[in-house]
Amino acid sequence: AQRVTQPEKLLSVFKGAPVELKCNYSYSGSPELFWYVQYSRQRLQLLLRHISRESIKGFTADLNKGETSFHLKKPFAQEEDSAMYYCAHGSSNTGKLIFGQGTTLQVKP
Amino acid sequence: GAVVSQHPSWVICKSGTSVKIECRSLDFQATTMFWYRQFPKQSLMLMATSNEGSKATYEQGVEKDKFLINHASLTLSTLTVTSAHPEDSSFYICSASTRTYEQYFGPGTRLTVT
Repeated sequence: AQRVTQPEKLLSVFKGAPVELKCNYSYSGSPELFWYVQYSRQRLQLLLRHISRESIKGFTADLNKGETSFHLKKPFAQEEDSAMYYCAHGSSNTGKLIFGQGTTLQVKP
Repeated sequence: GAVVSQHPSWVICKSGTSVKIECRSLDFQATTMFWYRQFPKQSLMLMATSNEGSKATYEQGVEKDKFLINHASLTLSTLTVTSAHPEDSSFYICSASTRTYEQYFGPGTRLTVT
């Protein structure tokens, strides 16, 4: 079964420090992977998807098939990055998203 | 664009009553809508997938007679929690999709059963 694992429940860093939120997946085919973000009291929104290979709000994520990982990175964290981040895997057949457990990023001033 | 609304945003009901939650895509037609449940400080758990004009597909462990889903039009899906009990108290979130993967999420509905 498809599974997405985010090993850290909470990641706390100081402003300006690099950030890496870990995500590992289990899927034998070609994965469709996403990062979603949920700011306090706001709805879940798409941050980025691996096929677009873009950088959003300074965040990037590279798919590493060898390590089955899709870690989210940002070189210099900002306080406004504080939020809950979810890694998700999409099913090509059903369009369903399978979410990881989520990681709370706390950026301290 | 691609805005999804939910109504109500918060509902309190007595044990044994039924509650209906609406999910609407405001500016696009959603062929598929998804219903999730989220417990405090936990991830989203997919409950069911709803396609317009057909029966919903429920995830394993989700009681379809307990959580009735109707997707009557391309812009509206409803989730009815029947005979609600305190353990049904949760945050219910819907999302709408126009094509594979691109899901737009509603703001969620907080259900409290007393």
